[in-house]
This record gives sequence, C-alpha cells and structure tokens, in this order.
Amino acid sequence: NAGVTQTPKFQVLKTGQSMTLQCAQDMNHEYMSWYRQDPGMGLRLIHYSVGAGITDQGEVPNGYNVSRSTTEDFPLRLLSAAPSQTSVYFCASTEQGGEQYFGPGTRLTVT
Amino acid sequence: AQKVTQAQTEISVVEKEDVTLDCVYETRDTTYYLFWYKQPPSGELVFLIRRNSFDEQNEISGRYSWNFQKSTSSFNFTITASQVVDSAVYFCALSEARAAMDSSYKLIFGSGTRLLVRP
Repeated sequence: NAGVTQTPKFQVLKTGQSMTLQCAQDMNHEYMSWYRQDPGMGLRLIHYSVGAGITDQGEVPNGYNVSRSTTEDFPLRLLSAAPSQTSVYFCASTEQGGEQYFGPGTRLTVT
Repeated sequence: AQKVTQAQTEISVVEKEDVTLDCVYETRDTTYYLFWYKQPPSGELVFLIRRNSFDEQNEISGRYSWNFQKSTSSFNFTITASQVVDSAVYFCALSEARAAMDSSYKLIFGSGTRLLVRP
C-alpha cells in the first residue's frame, strides 16, 4: 500500500492563478480530509468527505473547493490563489474506528 | 466549541531528561477522541496515540506515556529519558465522535509544542 499520496510536493503560484492539489489513498477509507498548517497555528480543517459524493466544510473553507467522485481521490482546488493561502497542506484519510493517516504534505507559496 | 490548548510553545531539555508536554482541551461532547502527533523536521505527521473519552487509563509505550484526566480536561504526554531523535513539534488534537467506536475525521489541533533535545 502506498498509503496517502499528495502531489505536488512544492508549488509556487502567482496571485489569481488556479490549481488543484491532488490527494489519493489506496486503503479504501471512507473518510478523507484536507488541513492547512500555518506557523504557530497548528493544523486547521478546510474540507472533509465522509464518502464518495459527500463533502462538507471545515473550519477554514473559504477560497477552496473539493469534490469526491471516487473513494480513492479527494482533490482540493484553489480557484483564485491569494497570498493568504501560502501554507503547507495535508490530506488525510481515516479508517473506520481507527486513526487518521496523513499524506506527506504540499508546500504552497503564493506570490 | 471545541478547543485544544498547548501552552508550551517551545521546550528545551538536555538528553536523558524527562519532559512533559501539556495539553488542555475543551468540548461539550461526552464522546470524543484525543490524539498526539509528532512532526519531525522532515515535516510528516506521525501518529502516536488515540484515546477515547471513555478510557481514562494511562498508557505507556516504551519511553512515552500519556496521562488522561477528565476532571482537568488534560491529556499530557511525557517522554522519559529524552533523546535527540525526539526533537520535533508535537501536536495534541481533539475529535468529536458520533459513537464510541466511530471514526474521528475532523480533528481540532493545538498550536503545537516544539521540543528541542540537546546532546
């Protein structure tokens, strides 16, 4: 099993550009989540999904969209990047009754 | 509202010292999970422990131990005989749970404690 994979590992965007952060898991987990990590603030939940076709907002959803068309994939879209979205993004999947498995993270810089 | 407070921003110890990382949480739920994660300098998040609100027994795993006290809403983490490899940022987190055995997929993280273990 590859676990939770995220691409790209690093990305630099200009203000106003759009992009999609990819997340995939091969553990057949129903639950997946996206977090952002900013210095001194820990991780904050952006969006989450409890199964294919079902998504909901977390603590800081503004500026981000998600969709869940398959169990395996949970992409995070930035429609118009802003400097405030400079952060490290972590995707996670959760097994039923178990722990969350985190991906390696994507470091995004918006200039 | 749920909240996790890690008041210690940074701790520095000398190798072989014992160190305790504090975690205080707030929740109105009667059923919840508490977690500790380690983030080494390489950046990944390493799961250390998950504890549900019905289990107040302390846990020991090698040099790591955890003290869960509902009465004070605390879930503290102690490293005994610290080593340089323990240097990392440690996060405490809280999750609601729909049922005692349900999954926890919406974590509320504390701001983390950076631990530096000097040789």
